[in-house]
Amino acid sequence: KQEVTQIPAALSVPEGENLVLNCSFTDSAIYNLQWFRQDPGKGLTSLLLIQSSQREQTSGRLNASLDKSSGRSTLYIAASQPGDSATYLCAVRPNDYKLSFGAGTTVTVRA
Amino acid sequence: DAGVIQSPRHEVTEMGQEVTLRCKPISGHNSLFWYRQTMMRGLELLIYFNNNVPIDDSGMPEDRFSAKMPNASFSTLKIQPSEPRDSAVYFCASSFGPANEQFFGPGTRLTVL
Repeated sequence: KQEVTQIPAALSVPEGENLVLNCSFTDSAIYNLQWFRQDPGKGLTSLLLIQSSQREQTSGRLNASLDKSSGRSTLYIAASQPGDSATYLCAVRPNDYKLSFGAGTTVTVRA
Repeated sequence: DAGVIQSPRHEVTEMGQEVTLRCKPISGHNSLFWYRQTMMRGLELLIYFNNNVPIDDSGMPEDRFSAKMPNASFSTLKIQPSEPRDSAVYFCASSFGPANEQFFGPGTRLTVL
């Protein structure tokens, strides 16, 4: 069974600092990996999808890297803003449809 | 693009009552997923439909739960009878192809008293 771990569970940084969010998974045989953002009381917003053949994917201030062999992905958010405060979830797709989610990292960006 | 639409957004009911949650996927998406989110267990896949056909319902907790997808633009998740332990946020998500990027609805927060 695929297990997905996100450490730390919570993170607080001052505005302007770069954010580094970690995700690790136990089985390297994956289709792809998706990063989401969840605001309190809201649904999940897809941030990036990175295919198993890719090493990284970028969208604006966001960059996600993937190292399948070591079972790790990292989400980088450059120049953080208070609006980046949310819970960030990593989800690994071990087969062609099922997503296995981590518990998330809750980020607070202090103004 | 309206995104995935779910209704109701909040539902409060009493134990033993029937609850029906509704979902409209993004137009053109052929894969639909129902998830449940709780503090204890995080996000769990309940059931997955592809082209309106249930493919994997192994996550449905028990026979009290059922899901249907009568057409490409509508799905329901029904709980009958409901129990307090069913209290959770239920999400619907859709994608164009099962392995592609999934888009989530805003969720239905269910409270069973």
